[in-house]
Amino acid sequence: GAGVSQTPSNKVTEKGKYVELRCDPISGHTALYWYRQSLGQGPEFLIYFQGTGAADDSGLPNDRFFAVRPEGSVSTLKIQRTERGDSAVYLCASSVGGIGYEQYFGPGTRLTVT
Amino acid sequence: QKEVEQDPGPLSVPEGAIVSLNCTYSNSAFQYFMWYRQYSRKGPELLMYTYSSGNKEDGRFTAQVDKSSKYISLFIRDSQPSDSATYLCAMSALEGAQKLVFGQGTRLTINP
Repeated sequence: GAGVSQTPSNKVTEKGKYVELRCDPISGHTALYWYRQSLGQGPEFLIYFQGTGAADDSGLPNDRFFAVRPEGSVSTLKIQRTERGDSAVYLCASSVGGIGYEQYFGPGTRLTVT
Repeated sequence: QKEVEQDPGPLSVPEGAIVSLNCTYSNSAFQYFMWYRQYSRKGPELLMYTYSSGNKEDGRFTAQVDKSSKYISLFIRDSQPSDSATYLCAMSALEGAQKLVFGQGTRLTINP
């Protein structure tokens, strides 16, 4: 079956602009996660959704970042007033849900802020 | 200090060698331990998953967890060039188990 898909695969934007990154999880997965991976580093947790609600948003770095999942499926990560330090690969993952379930990762969106 | 420490390498070994990768951690609340493999420009894929202490074997891969030392390992036997990738350890606590904390990743190259 289809895996987690993310669009766009690459995004180049200018400092100060607004961007939206989309994640389409595996069908039937109720849990969805966003991570950020900087060059040469491991992924860093941003936010976790169970259904439509954000169950844990403790990893969002500041109020320029927010994410939605209005119908419990597709999610959008939104970044306002982008900064050069936001440049990274943004990974989305989904899982059946619950403790210990495998998180399936998408290929990521490579964001470059110039 | 990071919660999870992992030597970034790079590590280069000949085909057929046994590879040992490891991570240390500081948070004693971690109960779930995972190893992910990540190829260049791809998302991480889960290799091994262990709950609490002990060993787990899956084909050529063996994962070990020593909670008393806060140390986890991944062994790859009969390594193949296709095993060349970055290996990431990840952990989570019982509470907030969905929030994975990753190591930096070790870049591994298997030379034919």
